[in-house]
Amino acid sequence: NAGVTQTPKFRVLKTGQSMTLLCAQDMNHEYMYWYRQDPGMGLRLIHYSVGEGTTAKGEVPDGYNVSRLKKQNFLLGLESAAPSQTSVYFCASKRSADTFYGYTFGSGTRLTVV
Amino acid sequence: GESVGLHLPTLSVQEGDNSIINCAYSNSASDYFIWYKQESGKGPQFIIDIRSNMDKRQGQRVTVLLNKTVKHLSLQIAATQPGDSAVYFCAERTPPTTSGSARQLTFGSGTQLTVLP
Repeated sequence: NAGVTQTPKFRVLKTGQSMTLLCAQDMNHEYMYWYRQDPGMGLRLIHYSVGEGTTAKGEVPDGYNVSRLKKQNFLLGLESAAPSQTSVYFCASKRSADTFYGYTFGSGTRLTVV
Repeated sequence: GESVGLHLPTLSVQEGDNSIINCAYSNSASDYFIWYKQESGKGPQFIIDIRSNMDKRQGQRVTVLLNKTVKHLSLQIAATQPGDSAVYFCAERTPPTTSGSARQLTFGSGTQLTVLP
């Protein structure tokens, strides 16, 4: 039972490059989330999905796009990376909207944009 | 203690002592609260949760207290161990910001707990 798996774990990008972060969960969860974590700040929601084929914007969506083509996968894309996107990115999932459960988080992707 | 949006405070405790980590949440309409533990280089790990209709909930060595009057949440760790050293942060589930949208979690910035030998 792997839970939530994020790939890659580390990446260095040059300004203007693009990349995709992959999140995969094997718990059959409906809801999936992408957060970023910056020093001294709480996790901030980038985008989320309430089910296969759906996506919605969170608190800080600019510069990112997402796709949820399969229920188990949630992709986060950076079309043209900027130094302000240097951060640690976490994916999370939960079973459903009304679940009074904590989310399950992946181990994170540390992204540096130079 | 911690407050949503402020810089990371620190707490140092002696091994074996009890730890109390505080959190001031922002929204009186939040209905659900969670404490997470995050070790260095890892993702947040669920510790304990509490619904807004409760004042106290206990787990194994941990207790969460909720005071809705002053919008305050605390995490008590009994007999703190070296493995408890980590960043602890609270999260509140806030009402939807727009009609039809889902409730979201708002996370605090965390408290760094260091357990001294």
